[in-house]
Amino acid sequence: ELKVEQNPLFLSMQEGKNYTIYCNYSTTSDRLYWYRQDPGKSLESLFVLLSNGAVKQEGRLMASLDTKARLSTLHITAAVHDLSATYFCAVDADSNYQLIWGAGTKLIIKP
Amino acid sequence: DAGITQSPRHKVTETGTPVTLRCHQTENHRYMYWYRQDPGHGLRLIHYSYGVKDTDKGEVSDGYSVSRSKTEDFLLTLESATSSQTSVYFCAISGRDAETQYFGPGTRLLVL
Repeated sequence: ELKVEQNPLFLSMQEGKNYTIYCNYSTTSDRLYWYRQDPGKSLESLFVLLSNGAVKQEGRLMASLDTKARLSTLHITAAVHDLSATYFCAVDADSNYQLIWGAGTKLIIKP
Repeated sequence: DAGITQSPRHKVTETGTPVTLRCHQTENHRYMYWYRQDPGHGLRLIHYSYGVKDTDKGEVSDGYSVSRSKTEDFLLTLESATSSQTSVYFCAISGRDAETQYFGPGTRLLVL
């Protein structure tokens, strides 16, 4: 059974700092997705990582995938308040388009 | 934004009553999904569809049924609602292999 673990589950940080959110998964998969959710809102796609070593960047966010380690990271550079949200990773189970989701990382960035 | 709507957006119902949630898309995407979101659980897949009249169970399908008679509509039915089905329900769509899933605005369901 595929399991996806994110850590930390909660992160409070100051503006301007760097930090990394980790997403570990338990079985082989080479498709990993990152989403953002604002309170009371829907989910917004951030990144799709489809191969080992994939790295994608958008603004202050950078995501990477290491399929051998079964690990993806979401790195935040010089955080700003607008990045406060809950971030989810999801892994494609058995390539049948069913995503298994992590519990989410609630990120609060203080001005 | 992907053209996905969900109705109703909010619903309060009583235990034992049937409830149907609707997801409507204007993107002509093949795949449609129903998820529930509960605190501490992330999202969990209830059912998904890979074409008209083609559906399959997800991780937490007990107590739920789905139907897809047209490409654009995917219905989720709670056959006899229970308090444990109080949740936020999201519909999602995707067009092809490995493509990202796009989410609807969600439906907040409270079962009393």
